[in-house]
Amino acid sequence: DQQVKQNSPSLSVQEGRISILNCDYTNSMFDYFLWYKKYPAEGPTFLISISSIKDKNEDGRFTVFLNKSAKHLSLHIVPSQPGDSAVYFCAASPNNAGNMLTFGGGTRLMVKP
Amino acid sequence: ETGVTQSPTHLIKTRGQQVTLRCSSQSGHNTVSWYQQALGQGPQFIFQYYREEENGRGNFPPRFSGLQFPNYSSELNVNALELDDSALYLCASSLVQGPRYGYTFGSGTRLTVV
Repeated sequence: DQQVKQNSPSLSVQEGRISILNCDYTNSMFDYFLWYKKYPAEGPTFLISISSIKDKNEDGRFTVFLNKSAKHLSLHIVPSQPGDSAVYFCAASPNNAGNMLTFGGGTRLMVKP
Repeated sequence: ETGVTQSPTHLIKTRGQQVTLRCSSQSGHNTVSWYQQALGQGPQFIFQYYREEENGRGNFPPRFSGLQFPNYSSELNVNALELDDSALYLCASSLVQGPRYGYTFGSGTRLTVV
């Protein structure tokens, strides 16, 4: 039972263009959503998060959008850079659940120069 | 002291053996959690420790156990290893409980069970 799904295993984008990574969830108890980036041989690195009381959070080139009614969130990267090439994981957590994150399967982003 | 350090980086064990993986959290981070990441999948939550007590557990059998020490280090122990335990094991620490500020992950220990 996958509660967090990333349906696109890979995405290829030209440098300078927008990258949109999508994530769907099924558990209505999820209250916080996070995006992590992972390079090979490194641990996941926290990028950005959003609370369920918001529908948008922006941090530099990264913006996360949350559509609670559709149980869908997306990460926009504008403009995309070759250094953004990595595997991106979305993760979700119920309120007051400490560090228990439920991760999606990841999307490999390739930004071509 | 910054960053989360895990040791060893790679490990090969035989089915049925026991293994101990170690994690050194960032100074002051009193919450540590462990995740298992199988090949091609996202990390799966194993358990969390807060001030040396386990206070959350995922869908893993009791042969997965842990310890957290006062010096911000922790251990993951796995008994009676099975082939399916082959995975990357990640440790994550945070200063406070709750997901709002994200967690700092180590680079992981790659465990291969043969």
